[in-house]
Amino acid sequence: NAGVTQTPKFQVLKTGQSMTLQCAQDMNHNSMYWYRQDPGMGLRLIYYSASEGTTDKGEVPNGYNVSRLNKREFSLRLESAAPSQTSVYFCASSNTGGGYEQYFGPGTRLTVT
Amino acid sequence: GIQVEQSPPDLILQEGANSTLRCNFSDSVNNLQWFHQNPWGQLINLFYIPSGTKQNGRLSATTVATERYSLLYISSSQTTDSGVYFCATVGASGTYKYIFGTGTRLKVLA
Repeated sequence: NAGVTQTPKFQVLKTGQSMTLQCAQDMNHNSMYWYRQDPGMGLRLIYYSASEGTTDKGEVPNGYNVSRLNKREFSLRLESAAPSQTSVYFCASSNTGGGYEQYFGPGTRLTVT
Repeated sequence: GIQVEQSPPDLILQEGANSTLRCNFSDSVNNLQWFHQNPWGQLINLFYIPSGTKQNGRLSATTVATERYSLLYISSSQTTDSGVYFCATVGASGTYKYIFGTGTRLKVLA
């Protein structure tokens, strides 16, 4: 099993450009999450999907959109990138939400100039 | 929402020393995880421990849910233990919104 995979690993964008970060899991988990980690900080939840077909805002959703494409895949889109979105983005999955262990992908390092 | 605080923020140890990291949370929880973020940025699951005690090699963790804290013990530390240790939880109300502490940055010197 690959666990949680993310693409791309690195990305540089200019201000105003758009891009989509991809995440997939092969553990048959119901819930998936997107986090951002700024330098020297903990992780903050951007959006989550409790189950296929549902998405909800986390702590810092502004400037992002998400799509739960199917049970395996959860994408994060930046429509108009800003320098404040320079961060490392992590995707995670868990069996069913709050009461279960989360597993994380390797992260995407995004720089917006 | 639930608040999560970790202490100490920074820790420097000589190889072979023991340490205790603490995670305090402001409300009841039904999930508590400890992670190690290695120097390459990878997040490694250490323990899923909403209550009780677990051990895995040189590491062990204890969560006392009624007193709203969790402890991570590292014994006989090695340089490979260096990195940042995070705890994370959701409230007992069943929300999916995980909250992370700000972490303890550990450096183990050879």
